[in-house]
Amino acid sequence: GENVEQHPSTLSVQEGDSAVIKCTYSDSASNYFPWYKQELGKGPQLIIDIRSNVGEKKDQRIAVTLNKTAKHFSLHITETQPEDSAVYFCAASKGETSYDKVIFGPGTSLSVIP
Amino acid sequence: GAVVSQHPSWVICKSGTSVKIECRSLDFQATTMFWYRQFPKQSLMLMATSNEGSKATYEQGVEKDKFLINHASLTLSTLTVTSAHPEDSSFYICSAQRQGAGGYTFGSGTRLTVV
Repeated sequence: GENVEQHPSTLSVQEGDSAVIKCTYSDSASNYFPWYKQELGKGPQLIIDIRSNVGEKKDQRIAVTLNKTAKHFSLHITETQPEDSAVYFCAASKGETSYDKVIFGPGTSLSVIP
Repeated sequence: GAVVSQHPSWVICKSGTSVKIECRSLDFQATTMFWYRQFPKQSLMLMATSNEGSKATYEQGVEKDKFLINHASLTLSTLTVTSAHPEDSSFYICSAQRQGAGGYTFGSGTRLTVV
């Protein structure tokens, strides 16, 4: 089955700096890669996603890149703010249909220092 | 749109009792919902896939007789933790996807504490 790895496990950055989180996946059939932000005691919130036919996607301060050949994808957060502090999970899925399960990476705890 | 409601948000129960957690898709129909379990400072581990009108599909290592899943309608899936023990204490989260919504939506989670 699919295995998703994520690095680093913890990340501290100064406010205003950029943060980068990297993930790899094992199943070449995976073609949907969402990123989630989870705050303490809450469910994960989708922040951005990318599909295999796209190499990069950007939404304001957040961007995701995908290298399908290398089975790598990364999350980039620019101009970080204290409210960006949370646990971030990458994930992989074989498709976008409602019955395709999503496998999560182990998570990255991001701390943005004011 | 694509709101998933989970109830209760937290529950404390005694060892040996059963607890039911509800997951509802509020503004869409979900033929499939997913149940995850999350221990403190760990990732979400998929427990099972809940299929409307049929049996759930459990991941390897998940006891189907202990974690009963019922998907009785297109908007409701329930997870019942039977004969709960302290080691079942965890954060349980459901998710579903509305076709064309651009991603899976997660419920707010249920914190289960077994004493």
